[in-house]
Amino acid sequence: DQQVKQNSPSLSVQEGRISILNCDYTNSMFDYFLWYKKYPAEGPTFLISISSIKDKNEDGRFTVFLNKSAKHLSLHIVPSQPGDSAVYFCAASFGQGAQKLVFGQGTRLTINP
Amino acid sequence: EPEVTQTPSHQVTQMGQEVILRCVPISNHLYFYWYRQILGQKVEFLVSFYNNEISEKSEIFDDQFSVERPDGSNFTLKIRSTKLEDSAMYFCASSVGPTGGRSGANVLTFGAGSRLTVL
Repeated sequence: DQQVKQNSPSLSVQEGRISILNCDYTNSMFDYFLWYKKYPAEGPTFLISISSIKDKNEDGRFTVFLNKSAKHLSLHIVPSQPGDSAVYFCAASFGQGAQKLVFGQGTRLTINP
Repeated sequence: EPEVTQTPSHQVTQMGQEVILRCVPISNHLYFYWYRQILGQKVEFLVSFYNNEISEKSEIFDDQFSVERPDGSNFTLKIRSTKLEDSAMYFCASSVGPTGGRSGANVLTFGAGSRLTVL
């Protein structure tokens, strides 16, 4: 069951540049998409979300873009900072019931000074 | 900032033993969840709990697993007879709940996790 996929296990970006993390999904019934960030020995921390009826949501340095026709979303971090080094998970939820989150495999982002 | 707390942070047990993982969700949250992450794999949904009953469970959540909210503040996951493949990080999460319609995402707040090692 690979409803949410993050095909890049790792990404390395120079400090100050843009980080782009990608996520694909297969189920067109998802209503919301969320990005979580995870540091070692901590639980996932919510970053930003987007409704399936939007194509962009921005919060400070973080912007999420949604392309419904391609079933693809991306998280842009500008400018990247060393503290952004973490594992980033894409997650999706349905609009019914308890709205559990379905997670992708995660992408490890490393920001180089 | 309110947080979800989990105990123990690490538990080592022998195969076949019972394990109870404990969680204290955020006090005004109504929905509670358990997820797990086997080393190197993705975070997997186990179960959701609302209004003192299971609202959804995954195929992983078989008869060996149970959840309980014994006293209005704790939320526990019990594994009756642990297997080697139960070794994982177990995350508890809670949320205010779905807001209905398209007014907002159901944002889960996660605890730091309980690492379970089954020998």
